[in-house]
Amino acid sequence: AQSVTQPDIHITVSEGASLELRCNYSYGATPYLFWYVQSPGQGLQLLLKYFSGDTLVQGIKGFEAEFKRSQSSFNLRKPSVHWSDAAEYFCAVGARLEVAGNTGKLIFGQGTTLQVKP
Amino acid sequence: AAGVIQSPRHLIKEKRETATLKCYPIPRHDTVYWYQQGPGQDPQFLISFYEKMQSDKGSIPDRFSAQQFSDYHSELNMSSLELGDSALYFCASRRDRDNEQFFGPGTRLTVL
Repeated sequence: AQSVTQPDIHITVSEGASLELRCNYSYGATPYLFWYVQSPGQGLQLLLKYFSGDTLVQGIKGFEAEFKRSQSSFNLRKPSVHWSDAAEYFCAVGARLEVAGNTGKLIFGQGTTLQVKP
Repeated sequence: AAGVIQSPRHLIKEKRETATLKCYPIPRHDTVYWYQQGPGQDPQFLISFYEKMQSDKGSIPDRFSAQQFSDYHSELNMSSLELGDSALYFCASRRDRDNEQFFGPGTRLTVL
């Protein structure tokens, strides 16, 4: 069964510092991979996604993520964090649609809450 | 660009009441997903529809039912509401052959 693990429940970084949020997945093949951000009481905003090709993907707001097949990881990074980045971050996986029977539902990790210190 | 529309945005119900949540997908999107996000939880997949047929089912209680209509909008019907049903309910839509699903703003259901 597919699963997603975000090992860090809470992370606090200083404004201007670099950030890395970890995501590990369990899946029989390479899934689709996503990172979403959610502010309190708000909806889910897609930061970036990986389907195939270049394993380093660029997203919005200066975020990037690297897919590492050997480690089953898709860690999210940002070189310099801004106070407005404080939010909940979710990693998600989806089964590849080209495989018969897959419907594209997403499995989310537990989320990582990011706090930014001034 | 058009986005996924969910209504209502907020809903307050009493225990044992019923609720109906609506989702209007992006035009030409034929697949709809429903997710439930409890307080402090990650979104959990409930159910999905493709071309008006149920395509997948997750941890959806028997008290809940859903359908997709001919215009592709979807409704999630929730009966005998319990306090634990209080959550943010997201709808997402996708066009066949596309890999990405787009999320609506969510409906916040509060059961008192």
